[in-house]
Amino acid sequence: GAGVSQSPSNKVTEKGKDVELRCDPISGHTALYWYRQSLGQGLEFLIYFQGNSAPDKSGLPSDRFSAERTGGSVSTLTIQRTQQEDSAVYLCASSSGAWGNQPQHFGDGTRLSIL
Amino acid sequence: AQSVAQPEDQVNVAEGNPLTVKCTYSVSGNPYLFWYVQYPNRGLQFLLKYITGDNLVKGSYGFEAEFNKSQTSFHLKKPSALVSDSALYFCAVRDTGAGSYQLTFGKGTKLSVIP
Repeated sequence: GAGVSQSPSNKVTEKGKDVELRCDPISGHTALYWYRQSLGQGLEFLIYFQGNSAPDKSGLPSDRFSAERTGGSVSTLTIQRTQQEDSAVYLCASSSGAWGNQPQHFGDGTRLSIL
Repeated sequence: AQSVAQPEDQVNVAEGNPLTVKCTYSVSGNPYLFWYVQYPNRGLQFLLKYITGDNLVKGSYGFEAEFNKSQTSFHLKKPSALVSDSALYFCAVRDTGAGSYQLTFGKGTKLSVIP
């Protein structure tokens, strides 16, 4: 497909477990973003990757959250020792260009529920 | 710091009437401004952007927005609303003077178009 793909679309897990969320960006897009969307809230920025540059991790809420992007393409967001407050929709977006003036293209998200 | 406000949580409009969804922003430099739409259980879709140039920007699905620097606003408009326009709308800003490529999103405005 031509769009941003995220998997799984839904994830239910028990408190304390680790989860991995995957994002396949649009081919050729150098920028990749992760956001968290909680019910009734806007999007909370988590992390930004641009090409081979060091990622901007300033939005990660705690050291339980980490992300990597391999080969400048696929990205994985990992949440360790999940807590109930981690329940949210996690959105990935990609864009072309390095100057933040191009629109971001979003996947449909992973809905994470922590029991 | 960059910020964006969407003062209305919900906007109701009758089908065929013009619609406006409001957005104001705060930046230290020049803004890049974006509007996105989100349908249930979907990611965000890009509608339009203002980077530079004409203050009136035309986008997808008949939407347009006017950049007003003196009022620091970027309201979304459409001359004639359709029921299918009912969705959640997000305004976003990037401050070109901030040295970051992050977008800050508003909390969203739910638009309901009544048949």
